[in-house]
Amino acid sequence: DAGVTQSPTHLIKTRGQQVTLRCSPKSGHDTVSWYQQALGQGPQFIFQYYEEEERQRGNFPDRFSGHQFPNYSSELNVNALLLGDSALYLCASRRLGGLRDTEAFFGQGTRLTVV
Amino acid sequence: AQTVTQSQPEMSVQEAETVTLSCTYDTSESDYYLFWYKQPPSRQMILVIRQEAYKQQNATENRFSVNFQKAAKSFSLKISDSQLGDAAMYFCAYRRSVNDMRFGAGTRLTVKP
Repeated sequence: DAGVTQSPTHLIKTRGQQVTLRCSPKSGHDTVSWYQQALGQGPQFIFQYYEEEERQRGNFPDRFSGHQFPNYSSELNVNALLLGDSALYLCASRRLGGLRDTEAFFGQGTRLTVV
Repeated sequence: AQTVTQSQPEMSVQEAETVTLSCTYDTSESDYYLFWYKQPPSRQMILVIRQEAYKQQNATENRFSVNFQKAAKSFSLKISDSQLGDAAMYFCAYRRSVNDMRFGAGTRLTVKP
């Protein structure tokens, strides 16, 4: 059983460009959350997707947007990249629907560098 | 707003000894979950232990245990018989019901042979 998978693992973009990061949740999970982890800091919650809709959002600008597909996989899009967007982006999945709320499992992250 | 504070940026422990990592949090809720996650250099966050706020009994997972003080809003992690593989960043996290997690800034644990 594959866990949470993220692609790509590393990415270098130029300021002002747009980027798309991808996440496939663990089998059986229906909820995907995205986090931004700057160097030396704890992860910061960006948003959560469930049933193909954004259900919760952290304190991030509209440049950060996302999508969830019918197979529960998800994308994180960041427009007009800033140098400050350089970070490790983590995806976490869990099962929200059903009788039991499960633990979150994390992917290994995408390291985004904006130059 | 819920906040999570880890006051120890770095901690060090001798192999086979015991270390305690501190965490405090701020919430007005009565029903919530608390977690300790480990992040090794591989970057993947690994769940170490979880505590439901309604449970008075402290959670234990093998060499890892917590001291949950609900009134004091304190949630410390004790690692017994420390091993070299325990070296990592440790993050304390809070979650209320279906909401997503809020993390502390982390504590870097070094294990000396």
